[in-house]
Amino acid sequence: DQQVKQNSPSLSVQEGRISILNCDYTNSMFDYFLWYKKYPAEGPTFLISISSIKDKNEDGRFTVFLNKSAKHLSLHIVPSQPGDSAVYFCAASDLRMRFGAGTRLTVKP
Amino acid sequence: DTGVSQDPRHKITKRGQNVTFRCDPISEHNRLYWYRQTLGQGPEFLTYFQNEAQLEKSRLLSDRFSAERPKGSFSTLEIQRTEQGDSAMYLCASSAEGFTDEKLFFGSGTQLSVL
Repeated sequence: DQQVKQNSPSLSVQEGRISILNCDYTNSMFDYFLWYKKYPAEGPTFLISISSIKDKNEDGRFTVFLNKSAKHLSLHIVPSQPGDSAVYFCAASDLRMRFGAGTRLTVKP
Repeated sequence: DTGVSQDPRHKITKRGQNVTFRCDPISEHNRLYWYRQTLGQGPEFLTYFQNEAQLEKSRLLSDRFSAERPKGSFSTLEIQRTEQGDSAMYLCASSAEGFTDEKLFFGSGTQLSVL
């Protein structure tokens, strides 16, 4: 069941610019939304989360925005760095965590 | 290292064989999850334990799959009579009850290849 969708399989940005990763969901009962980052041969690692009662959460270079009416969230990375190159998964939680298919971000020097 | 550990990291087996994977969660975490990830997809939920009780199983978990967490600590995932479609990365994750954001901590996974 595709309750969490990441429609862009890849994104390429220049170092120093903004990266915007998008995610859509269908289940309005989700409590929390999370972004995970995954490097090759490693498990996903938690990056940032947002509660369904908020519309923005910021942690350093990373900001997550939630638009509940549109059932959409986005992750902004400013400024982007080459070390940010990884696969980013959007996830949503309603007792169990459901993941999108991921977006591969490449930050070019 | 107090993270989630999984063993083995890689497993190659022939179709029809049985395989077993082990997961050691973060010691103070009482919740343990198994996920499966195939190429180009995100992790898909398989099953969930709270302490030693298996509280939920996905319909993805056919009767060839069985998971245990006998003492509420480590967990094993067994696949019987493996099929080529079982080839995937099997991820274990743990969390502590009461986390406000339900954050999961993942292991590095076991990559299964069924020939």
